[in-house]
Amino acid sequence: DTEVTQTPKHLVMGMTNKKSLKCEQHMGHRAMYWYKQKAKKPPELMFVYSYEKLSINESVPSRFSPECPNSSLLNLHLHALQPEDSALYLCASNIDGGLGTGELFFGEGSRLTVL
Amino acid sequence: GENVEQHPSTLSVQEGDSAVIKCTYSDSASNYFPWYKQELGKGPQLIIDIRSNVGEKKDQRIAVTLNKTAKHFSLHITETQPEDSAVYFCAASDGGSQGNLIFGKGTKLSVKP
Repeated sequence: DTEVTQTPKHLVMGMTNKKSLKCEQHMGHRAMYWYKQKAKKPPELMFVYSYEKLSINESVPSRFSPECPNSSLLNLHLHALQPEDSALYLCASNIDGGLGTGELFFGEGSRLTVL
Repeated sequence: GENVEQHPSTLSVQEGDSAVIKCTYSDSASNYFPWYKQELGKGPQLIIDIRSNVGEKKDQRIAVTLNKTAKHFSLHITETQPEDSAVYFCAASDGGSQGNLIFGKGTKLSVKP
């Protein structure tokens, strides 16, 4: 069983809605990540938080807003999304504080559909 | 930046046969090479990884080899079983300051009973 928990598993939203994706880990990891995965493609990095500070933003549009309330929680706030934003959003964590060279633990993902 | 090429994109084998997936990378500063298995509707799960100071690593039916000179690494699965059917991704650490993982495009493995 994965030790990174994501909610909700499925989300359908309109282009004017505001919603949030949530991620939680209790492994004591100090780096947390958001990835976006389109069908039949590899995961693409969106954001990295290291020690609760945003360390990497891969030029993600501002309609995606990450938040790290504490070292165990990671949120992704969604507003005014486009249909092309429909994808599987994966949360991951890592013990190394954001360098990405240790094992990356993924959650099961939140499947987002934007109508 | 790092670029990871993965081949083949699809692979079909009979149960009990071996499967080999190959990846090449471009950045000689990369030092960590994990392999992930992703089943339908699930997140990627790490199945084996190797660091640049090691040439080969085995875990039961799974092995990974690394050739740093040629900048390629391979996943070997022996005695394949239907439950090995999934998409497999190789990755390499970004040798730049960000140190993130760069993924290959994935291999869809089908094991026929």
